[in-house]
Amino acid sequence: EILMTQSPATLSVSPGERATLSCRATQIISNRVAWYQHKPGQPPRLLIYGASTRASGIPARFSGSGSGTDFTLTISSLQSEDFAVYYCQQYHDWPPYNFGQGTKLEIK
Amino acid sequence: QVQLQESGPGLVKPSQTLSLTCNVSGGSISTAGYYWSWIRQQPGKGLEWIGYIYYSGYTYYNPSLKSRVTISKDSSKNQFSLKLTSVTAADTAVYYCARDPKEGKFDFWGQGTLVTVSS
Repeated sequence: EILMTQSPATLSVSPGERATLSCRATQIISNRVAWYQHKPGQPPRLLIYGASTRASGIPARFSGSGSGTDFTLTISSLQSEDFAVYYCQQYHDWPPYNFGQGTKLEIK
Repeated sequence: QVQLQESGPGLVKPSQTLSLTCNVSGGSISTAGYYWSWIRQQPGKGLEWIGYIYYSGYTYYNPSLKSRVTISKDSSKNQFSLKLTSVTAADTAVYYCARDPKEGKFDFWGQGTLVTVSS
C-alpha cells in the first residue's frame, strides 16, 4: 500500500506571498498525484491532477510539480480565499485511495 | 454539471447501522467507467476513503472498514448508498460521496453530511 506524507503540517504565510507544500510517497508513483483544497463546511475541491495539470476553473496561481516520490504544490501569490487545508492523493496504485494527512495553510 | 447530494440520519446510536444515500444528478451512475465513492473525515483528522461502487455494480472497500461496510446502488433512482454496521463514536464524521471518472482522482463531491454516533 502506498502512503503519502505531507509537510509541513501547518504553514503560515502572508497574503501575497508564495506558499510551497510538499508531499512524499512511500513508493515511486510516476506523476499519479492529485491535490485538493478543503475549506470548512465545503467539500474538497480538485486542484491539480497528474502532478501538474490544473483542474477546470483552477486559477493559474496554483501549480504542481514533481515525479517519482516527491511532489510540490505551489501557490504563487496567496489570496485570502486560499487559506485552507490541502491534501495530496496518490492514484498510481488504487484502490485503496490514499490521501496525505493534510497541510493547513494559515494566515501569518 | 454533475451534482451529488448526501442524505440520511445525522444521529446514530452506538452499535446500530449508519445508512446514507447519495443522489446524483446531471449524469447517470450507470455510465460506463465511473466509480462512485464514499469518503469521510473524522473530527480533527484527514480524509479517509471508505469504498466505491463501479457502474457495473462491482464494489471495493477499504480493508480497514471492509467487515462493516456495504455500498449498493439503485440505478432507477440514480443513487448509491452506504451502510456501516456496528458503529461507535469513532465513526462520527462528515461523510462525502464523490465521483472518480476511472482515473483515480475525485472530480465531483457532495457537500457532505455530518453523522454523529451517540446514545
